[in-house]
Amino acid sequence: NAGVMQNPRHLVRRRGQEARLRCSPMKGHSHVYWYRQLPEEGLKFMVYLQKENIIDESGMPKERFSAEFPKEGPSILRIQQVVRGDSAAYFCASSPGPGSQETQYFGPGTRLLVL
Amino acid sequence: SQKIEQNSEALNIQEGKTATLTCNYTNYSPAYLQWYRQDPGRGPVFLLLIRENEKEKRKERLKVTFDTTLKQSLFHITASQPADSATYLCVGAGSYQLTFGKGTKLSVIP
Repeated sequence: NAGVMQNPRHLVRRRGQEARLRCSPMKGHSHVYWYRQLPEEGLKFMVYLQKENIIDESGMPKERFSAEFPKEGPSILRIQQVVRGDSAAYFCASSPGPGSQETQYFGPGTRLLVL
Repeated sequence: SQKIEQNSEALNIQEGKTATLTCNYTNYSPAYLQWYRQDPGRGPVFLLLIRENEKEKRKERLKVTFDTTLKQSLFHITASQPADSATYLCVGAGSYQLTFGKGTKLSVIP
């Protein structure tokens, strides 16, 4: 049973470009969460999605960031017009049921570097 | 705002000894606490979960306690091994928004 998959593992972008981060949850998991880890900081919640629905995006910056989890395919975290401050590790987690009741399982992360 | 604080950024310990990591929480009451392990360049890996009505939980060489009076959790690794060297994250939960501490980097010296 494959774990949570994230790609790419490393992503380099220049300021102003777009970054697309993908997450495939564990088989049987329909709840996906994105977290961001800035250097020397703990992971911070960004957004919680179920298939075709955004449940909570309170941790996501209001501009330039968006997330989706379509009926088919992986969840996508999209960052438009990246800035240097977006450089961080982005982790996706999944759970079979609501995260309040279930342990969340994390992927290996995507490390974004903005030049 | 709710906070999870792990007092030590780093902890060095001799192989075979018991490592004890401390986690305190402020401004909220998590329904449960979790401990994760994170190796460099990897995602967090779930280790143990303890609920607020449980005093202690064990799994092999790991033991976790939860003291709601002190607002504290202790994480113990007995008979520590160099392979236990990693960063350990204390995580508060009760909703789907996990609240992470910054972690304690444990180094077990042979």
